[in-house]
Amino acid sequence: AQTVTQSQPEMSVQEAETVTLSCTYDTSESDYYLFWYKQPPSRQMILVIRQEAYKQQNATENRFSVNFQKAAKSFSLKISDSQLGDAAMYFCAYRSAAGANSKLTFGKGITLSVRP
Amino acid sequence: ETGVTQTPRHLVMGMTNKKSLKCEQHLGHNAMYWYKQSAKKPLELMFVYSLEERVENNSVPSRFSPECPNSSHLFLHLHTLQPEDSALYLCASSQDPATYNEQFFGPGTRLTVL
Repeated sequence: AQTVTQSQPEMSVQEAETVTLSCTYDTSESDYYLFWYKQPPSRQMILVIRQEAYKQQNATENRFSVNFQKAAKSFSLKISDSQLGDAAMYFCAYRSAAGANSKLTFGKGITLSVRP
Repeated sequence: ETGVTQTPRHLVMGMTNKKSLKCEQHLGHNAMYWYKQSAKKPLELMFVYSLEERVENNSVPSRFSPECPNSSHLFLHLHTLQPEDSALYLCASSQDPATYNEQFFGPGTRLTVL
């Protein structure tokens, strides 16, 4: 079974600075998808960024980028120019590309606070 | 309304009560999901519905009973719950369950079982 590990429960960053949230996963599969979801205090979870395992190029969405290291099974999220609105819980998630109805496996999440 | 909505947003119930959580998606999606979110634990997938048919049931106790009358609505019927069932229950939807597509989440129902 796949597992997703987010070992840091909390992190803090100064506004306008850069922060990196770490995530590792365990799988024996070669084809899969990885996601970062954000859950602000209002609780509506939204997708931040996603990566297809077969793509070597790291995904980027505006201020958000990932460092995908397939051999190391690492998928970290970098937030540049942090803003107060980035304060939230961030969840790393894994999904197999094999078979129908494959589920999302989430990590425990990390709480990010942004200092003004 | 747009997106995924859930009602009620907060629910307090006794262990002998029967209640239902409702989820509605306005995105034209074919797959809907129930997740349980407890503090300091990963989100736990409970149920997956695709085109109103249950396609996954992750060993959830029978005191949780899902219902999907159509592709836009999903219910979670609750009866004789335990205090450890207190959690945030999230509903989500996606275009279908088998692809790369993003899951869209509702705001959740905060459930407290006394």
